[in-house]
Amino acid sequence: DAGVIQSPRHEVTEMGQEVTLRCKPISGHDYLFWYRQTMMRGLELLIYFNNNVPIDDSGMPEDRFSAKMPNASFSTLKIQPSEPRDSAVYFCASSPRLQGLGNTGELFFGEGSRLTVL
Amino acid sequence: KQEVTQIPAALSVPEGENLVLNCSFTDSAIYNLQWFRQDPGKGLTSLLLIQSSQREQTSGRLNASLDKSSGRSTLYIAASQPGDSATYLCAVTGNQFYFGTGTSLTVIP
Repeated sequence: DAGVIQSPRHEVTEMGQEVTLRCKPISGHDYLFWYRQTMMRGLELLIYFNNNVPIDDSGMPEDRFSAKMPNASFSTLKIQPSEPRDSAVYFCASSPRLQGLGNTGELFFGEGSRLTVL
Repeated sequence: KQEVTQIPAALSVPEGENLVLNCSFTDSAIYNLQWFRQDPGKGLTSLLLIQSSQREQTSGRLNASLDKSSGRSTLYIAASQPGDSATYLCAVTGNQFYFGTGTSLTVIP
C-alpha cells in the first residue's frame, strides 16, 4: 500500500485566499484524522471521521475551516479565507479502527502539507 | 480529558549511549499506546504499539514499556546512533488519539 497520501506538500498563499488540502487514506481504514502541527501548540486534532461521517470537529478552530469526506478514499480540509496564523503543517492520518478484538488500532500518517499564508 | 506529557522536551547524548524517553498520561482507561518518530519536515512514523493488555514491545534496539496503573510508558533506545536523532512522540488511544508534545533527541557522533 502507498500509505496515506496528502497534497499539496507545500502551499504558499496570500491572506484571504482559499486553501484546499487533500488526503487519500490507506484503503480499508475506517478512521481519518486531520491534525495541525505548529511549534507553539504541537500536534492538534482538528477533526476526525469514521466511515466518512464526521465524529468530532471540536478542534476546528473557526468557521473558516471546513472538512469533508465524500467517500472512503478522499478527504479535504478547506480554509476560507486563510490568515497568516493558519500557517502550519497539516497532517492527515488514518487507522483501521480505534480499537477492537484482533485489531491493533495503529495510526498511520501522511507526509503533511506545509501551509504558509503571507 | 486525557493529558499526555513527555519529559524531557529535549535530550542530547553521545553516540553509543543507552537512553530512556518518558511518557505519562492522566487517564489509565486506554486501548493502546503508540510511539512515533518524526524527522524534520516529515510525517510521523510509527515505531511501536503496545496494547493495553501488554507490558512491553520490542523492535530491534527499541523497547517500549507500559504501566497503565501508574500512567507511564518508557521508550528505551539501546546503543544510540546519530541516525536516531529525531523527535519522538507518544500517543494514547481512548475515544481518539491523544499526543504528547514530544522529546527532541540529538545523538552526537
